[in-house]
Amino acid sequence: DAGITQSPRHKVTETGTPVTLRCHQTENHRYMYWYRQDPGHGLRLIHYSYGVKDTDKGEVSDGYSVSRSKTEDFLLTLESATSSQTSVYFCAISGGLAGPGGSTDTQYFGPGTRLTVL
Amino acid sequence: GESVGLHLPTLSVQEGDNSIINCAYSNSASDYFIWYKQESGKGPQFIIDIRSNMDKRQGQRVTVLLNKTVKHLSLQIAATQPGDSAVYFCAGTNTGGFKTIFGAGTRLFVKA
Repeated sequence: DAGITQSPRHKVTETGTPVTLRCHQTENHRYMYWYRQDPGHGLRLIHYSYGVKDTDKGEVSDGYSVSRSKTEDFLLTLESATSSQTSVYFCAISGGLAGPGGSTDTQYFGPGTRLTVL
Repeated sequence: GESVGLHLPTLSVQEGDNSIINCAYSNSASDYFIWYKQESGKGPQFIIDIRSNMDKRQGQRVTVLLNKTVKHLSLQIAATQPGDSAVYFCAGTNTGGFKTIFGAGTRLFVKA
């Protein structure tokens, strides 16, 4: 998984509670992303970061916030979890030296976090 | 809107046969395409990529073909093996951009 870890790997929580997911990389890649994956949908971008403290919204950002205080860590926070946020969340990185993909645009993914909101 | 879609949700092939997974894209600005493999319970894994200035690229047992005229790309897997069973995604983006569009995926079943 290209030196990317996500924690926790599984979480069950209740509606209305705050949840924070962590993505940690050891590759020193500049860009980091949070996606959600739901049945019948492709990966959908929630937020991304193009540097420390530099973040922007993706296509499904409502209800989510992010923070990046260090190159290696990108946090995704659900301020008040809802059942519609039950999903599998993937972190991705890009922007390192050209690897097997031959491009700094290639995104490499973490193992995912399965979140269930009851 | 922009989309990257796959023609079939599932594909079943016999072990040893060749597999072809197709993908269509709608954004003419996309100039970089990637195929990913996702096994159950894991994150997407990079397989092969291609830039729009190419129409074919080969890797180990895999080939990606790009037809920009009809906005279509395909992934060919030679001598398909049981370990190839997974969901395969295509993705399209523009160089230096952050907006990568992913297809919903095709599930490949390999019959022994």
